[in-house]
Amino acid sequence: QLLESGGGLVQPGGSLRLSCAASGFTFSNYAMSWVRQAPGKGLECVSAVSGSGGSRYYADSLKGRFTISRDNSKNTVSLQMNSLRADDTAIYYCAKRARITVTGNWYFDLWGRGTLVTVSS
Amino acid sequence: QSALTQPASVSGSPGQSITISCTGTSSDVGGYNSVSWYQQHPGKAPKLMIYEVTNRPSGVSNRFSGSKSGNTASLTISGLQAEDEADYYCSSYTSISTLEVFGTGTKVTVL
Repeated sequence: QLLESGGGLVQPGGSLRLSCAASGFTFSNYAMSWVRQAPGKGLECVSAVSGSGGSRYYADSLKGRFTISRDNSKNTVSLQMNSLRADDTAIYYCAKRARITVTGNWYFDLWGRGTLVTVSS
Repeated sequence: QSALTQPASVSGSPGQSITISCTGTSSDVGGYNSVSWYQQHPGKAPKLMIYEVTNRPSGVSNRFSGSKSGNTASLTISGLQAEDEADYYCSSYTSISTLEVFGTGTKVTVL
């Protein structure tokens, strides 16, 4: 299973770090992602990282504000979010990909319950 | 990269079959066999229903099936049941963006 934490209320321009703890599978064998859903809206994959952590990917719209990382010794994946804006308000889901690489592996076979990030003054 | 186009809503009576479409371009749906479908009940996390156009994960009912023709992928739910009432999203690899693109989402209502 996947369990997210770290969400909350943050002011515009602020920072927040989300974490996801994984269990029940060999964590380092799978790429991981963060997918967000704004209130009443659809899904958007914002970042992905390969099983080794050596390859990282970001949505084009983020413009370098977010950084994904993983610690295979602790079975965790994190998302550091900086310069937050109101349109970053969303539920952020941790999602597991089906193979160790991101490329050629374009679906999510396990999702966490999500953590809510609210950016507001 | 624009979202893939899905109908806003689809409805059907119990026992009927419904089909949800997901329209993209040759840069995404039409060009690759990387379409997946997710079911999301209110307040819950999405659940993978179909991957790589036609494949069903273990544990997913065989009432769910996927297909593709040209730039449009489809999810068919046969023998519609009350528990199928949910939002459904398609997703596809795209050669235009770094990460996959999702559809606009379809609300399925069981009458």
